[in-house]
Amino acid sequence: KQEVTQIPAALSVPEGENLVLNCSFTDSAIYNLQWFRQDPGKGLTSLLLIQSSQREQTSGRLNASLDKSSGRSTLYIAASQPGDSATYLCAVPTSRQLTFGSGTQLTVLP
Amino acid sequence: NAGVTQTPKFQVLKTGQSMTLQCAQDMNHNSMYWYRQDPGMGLRLIYYSASEGTTDKGEVPNGYNVSRLNKREFSLRLESAAPSQTSVYFCASRARPGQGREAFFGQGTRLTVV
Repeated sequence: KQEVTQIPAALSVPEGENLVLNCSFTDSAIYNLQWFRQDPGKGLTSLLLIQSSQREQTSGRLNASLDKSSGRSTLYIAASQPGDSATYLCAVPTSRQLTFGSGTQLTVLP
Repeated sequence: NAGVTQTPKFQVLKTGQSMTLQCAQDMNHNSMYWYRQDPGMGLRLIYYSASEGTTDKGEVPNGYNVSRLNKREFSLRLESAAPSQTSVYFCASRARPGQGREAFFGQGTRLTVV
């Protein structure tokens, strides 16, 4: 059974800092990995989908990397802003569903 | 640009009452899902529908039923609500089953059972 872990559970950084969020998974036989953002009381917004054939995927200040062999993905946020404060979730698909990590709650302090 | 739409957004039920959560997507996706999100438990799959006319149980199906009404709509029914079903419910869709496609989520239904 696929298990997805995100560490740390919470992170607080000053505005302007570059930061990395981590996601690890137990079964490396994946096709892709998806990163989501969730604001308090809101739904999940898809940020990036990185296919297993890719090593990186970029969208604006966000860069996701994937290393299947080590069972890890990272989400890099450049020049963080208070508006980036949210919970970030990674998810790995199976044939039936997405298996989610428990998320990293990010706070960017002005 | 609606994507996945859920109704209602908020609901309070008394124990034993029934209700149906509605979900519709306008992306012509084949697969649809119902998740619940609870503090400390993360997102857990309740039911999913790989395609129109099919439904299957997920991780936590007890106390729920689903209907895939057509390709667009996937509803979740609580026949006799219990306090343990207090949660945030999310509907999601994906172009097709399998691992290759991006998933999209609705904004959630916040349900309280008293």
